[in-house]
Amino acid sequence: AQSVSQHNHHVILSEAASLELGCNYSYGGTVNLFWYVQYPGQHLQLLLKYFSGDPLVKGIKGFEAEFIKSKFSFNLRKPSVQWSDTAEYFCAVNVPSSASKIIFGSGTRLSIRP
Amino acid sequence: EADIYQTPRYLVIGTGKKITLECSQTMGHDKMYWYQQDPGMELHLIHYSYGVNSTEKGDLSSESTVSRIRTEHFPLTLESARPSHTSQYLCASRQGADYGYTFGSGTRLTVV
Repeated sequence: AQSVSQHNHHVILSEAASLELGCNYSYGGTVNLFWYVQYPGQHLQLLLKYFSGDPLVKGIKGFEAEFIKSKFSFNLRKPSVQWSDTAEYFCAVNVPSSASKIIFGSGTRLSIRP
Repeated sequence: EADIYQTPRYLVIGTGKKITLECSQTMGHDKMYWYQQDPGMELHLIHYSYGVNSTEKGDLSSESTVSRIRTEHFPLTLESARPSHTSQYLCASRQGADYGYTFGSGTRLTVV
């Protein structure tokens, strides 16, 4: 069964620092990959997704992620974070099939110091 | 603004009560899902549906049940709530395999 690992449980950065959140998945075949964000008190929102094509995916609010198949990784990056990026970030994977279920990682809490 | 609605947003009830958490979507999505999320933990799939009259149990064992009589409605029921059911319950829908989920705002349930 596929699984998703997010090794950083809590990341604390200062504004303008660069961000990289790690995500690794376990499945040897074709996958769809997602990053979701949950701002305090709000519902989960899709940040970006990778299905095929260019492995460097750009999402909303200046976020991007790079799919590296050989490393089973899909790390999230942002060159310069803002205080408003404080949120919980979830990496997720889906094996394209009739099941259509998305498996989520445990999340990384990002705290930005103003 | 999400087109998927969950009510209530917060619920505190006593042990042994029967409760139904509502989830409705206006996007015509066939696929709908219920996840359970404890603070700081990953989301666990507890139920899903591929369409009307289709329901399946998810990866996490749950004492809840679901129904899907209409495309837009996917309620979750606990026949007899217990403190171990205290959690956040998230409903989501999906247009198809090439799309991500759209999530509702969640129901935070506390059983005392």
